[in-house]
Amino acid sequence: GNSVTQMEGPVTLSEEAFLTINCTYTATGYPSLFWYVQYPGEGLQLLLKATKADDKGSNKGFEATYRKETTSFHLEKGSVQVSDSAVYFCALSETYNQGGKLIFGQGTELSVKP
Amino acid sequence: DAGVTQSPTHLIKTRGQQVTLRCSPKSGHDTVSWYQQALGQGPQFIFQYYEEEERQRGNFPDRFSGHQFPNYSSELNVNALLLGDSALYLCASSLRQGAAFFGQGTRLTVV
Repeated sequence: GNSVTQMEGPVTLSEEAFLTINCTYTATGYPSLFWYVQYPGEGLQLLLKATKADDKGSNKGFEATYRKETTSFHLEKGSVQVSDSAVYFCALSETYNQGGKLIFGQGTELSVKP
Repeated sequence: DAGVTQSPTHLIKTRGQQVTLRCSPKSGHDTVSWYQQALGQGPQFIFQYYEEEERQRGNFPDRFSGHQFPNYSSELNVNALLLGDSALYLCASSLRQGAAFFGQGTRLTVV
């Protein structure tokens, strides 16, 4: 079945460091891919998305490119801030319906130190 | 513009009891999905409602049921609660095939 695998956390970085969180997926068809962020005690917020191969999603300095050849959607940010500390989830939608059933990875906790 | 709102925020129930969680979708959204998030895990899809009907269902037992009302709001019902049902329950809304927006969740503790 469809699945999403993320790098294990926690990831601890110093402020202004470069961030990469790896995400790979297994899916049939043409899924859409998402990154969601969860701050402590809160629900999930959509960070960025990409709906087809080679699309790049970006938001708030974060970027991820939909790579069909490597089935990956790695999250990157050039310079992290303390306020970026949160849990990041990679997800895919099983069909063209972006609001349909989402398959999530296990989450990667990011901790940014001043 | 209010986002997705869920109630209550926290709830404590005893094994064997029944619980109802509520969700109001983001303004203009017509589709509601429910997810269960165990501690330290990613959310797991329970089911989705559109036009007051269950459209998709994840791998959850029949103890989990739901409803969508004409104003698009939704309820999640869980019967015969087990300790393992303790989790954060997330509601997400979307408009047709657009991306899902999540609420803050309801933290359910079963004792």
